[in-house]
Amino acid sequence: AQSVTQLDSHVSVSEGTPVLLRCNYSSSYSPSLFWYVQHPNKGLQLLLKYTSAATLVKGINGFEAEFKKSETSFHLTKPSAHMSDAAEYFCVVRGLGGGFKTIFGAGTRLFVKA
Amino acid sequence: DVKVTQSSRYLVKRTGEKVFLECVQDMDHENMFWYRQDPGLGLRLIYFSYDVKMKEKGDIPEGYSVSREKKERFSLILESASTNQTSMYLCASRAPNYEQYFGPGTRLTVT
Repeated sequence: AQSVTQLDSHVSVSEGTPVLLRCNYSSSYSPSLFWYVQHPNKGLQLLLKYTSAATLVKGINGFEAEFKKSETSFHLTKPSAHMSDAAEYFCVVRGLGGGFKTIFGAGTRLFVKA
Repeated sequence: DVKVTQSSRYLVKRTGEKVFLECVQDMDHENMFWYRQDPGLGLRLIYFSYDVKMKEKGDIPEGYSVSREKKERFSLILESASTNQTSMYLCASRAPNYEQYFGPGTRLTVT
């Protein structure tokens, strides 16, 4: 069975400092992994995805994530936070049972202080 | 750009009412999904559809039904709304590369 755990419900950083949002997954197969962002009162938008190509994945808005099979992790990072990055972030694993189910983490809310 | 639209951004209904939430996508995607989003729980799958008139239950289908009469439209129906169905409802359409495109959401309040 697949599952995904976001290790922090809230992360607070200062503008200009690095961002780290942690995600661990469990999967019996090589997973497809995604990060989505949700700004207030908006739908979710795809940031980046890993689908068994390069382990370091670059996404939009300067975000990137590294797939580490040995650690079953897919942490999201950004070198320098911007005020506009304040949002909720979801780590997602695509289930392989029938190929339809997509499992979302509980979300991490990122706060960016001026 | 893929566009997924939902019929209402905010909705207030009374307990026992029948509620229809509509979702339309414009990219000819076969797969469409309904989720509900609650604080601390992430997104939970209610139902999904992989083709016209085809549907499958997700993780929390109780109290909900769906309809997919046309490829572009996927409707979520609350047969008899209850207060525990107060939530944010998100519709998504999925491309062949498994990327999901989300609508803006409908915040439903049941009083």
